[in-house]
Amino acid sequence: DQQVKQNSPSLSVQEGRISILNCDYTNSMFDYFLWYKKYPAEGPTFLISISSIKDKNEDGRFTVFLNKSAKHLSLHIVPSQPGDSAVYFCAALGNTNAGKSTFGDGTTLTVKP
Amino acid sequence: DAGITQSPRHKVTETGTPVTLRCHQTENHRYMYWYRQDPGHGLRLIHYSYGVKDTDKGEVSDGYSVSRSKTEDFLLTLESATSSQTSVYFCAISGAGVTSYEQYFGPGTRLTVT
Repeated sequence: DQQVKQNSPSLSVQEGRISILNCDYTNSMFDYFLWYKKYPAEGPTFLISISSIKDKNEDGRFTVFLNKSAKHLSLHIVPSQPGDSAVYFCAALGNTNAGKSTFGDGTTLTVKP
Repeated sequence: DAGITQSPRHKVTETGTPVTLRCHQTENHRYMYWYRQDPGHGLRLIHYSYGVKDTDKGEVSDGYSVSRSKTEDFLLTLESATSSQTSVYFCAISGAGVTSYEQYFGPGTRLTVT
């Protein structure tokens, strides 16, 4: 049973528009959520996170929204840039997990100039 | 960037041979992890360590073993490699305190088992 799901394998947007990447989870014990970005032939890099006590966290062009009742989070990128083209992974963990994160399968974002 | 290196970066080996991948960190972080990434499966945890000589299994640990004799090194061993272990392997670290949830990844090792 996959506890973290990213239902869209790919997303294509025009430069300057908004990119919205979605993530759903099933485990109600998750209380911390993260997004990672991965370029080809590189390791993932941490992008932004949110605690379950918040519903929004913003960092520059990146905003993560959390809807606990729906067990859903989303990453908004505004405005999207070609350099944002990458695979985005959603991850979740609980505070008793020894730092172990459960990852979604990723969404490949392509931002077209 | 977090100081994490992985060696080798690429390896081709034959079925049935033992293989050891090394992860080295210079950040003195407590937690270390080994993941594999396969198309359509995202990142799956193989093993992790929460201190020197303290390790535990992840969700896909069969066929793999690990060791951590020093804070800075975390070794992943495939005792007898199989073609199903062809993958890209990532090591990650995380620390203690307020940033303990964020993981920092190495550049990856591409392993091909023929």
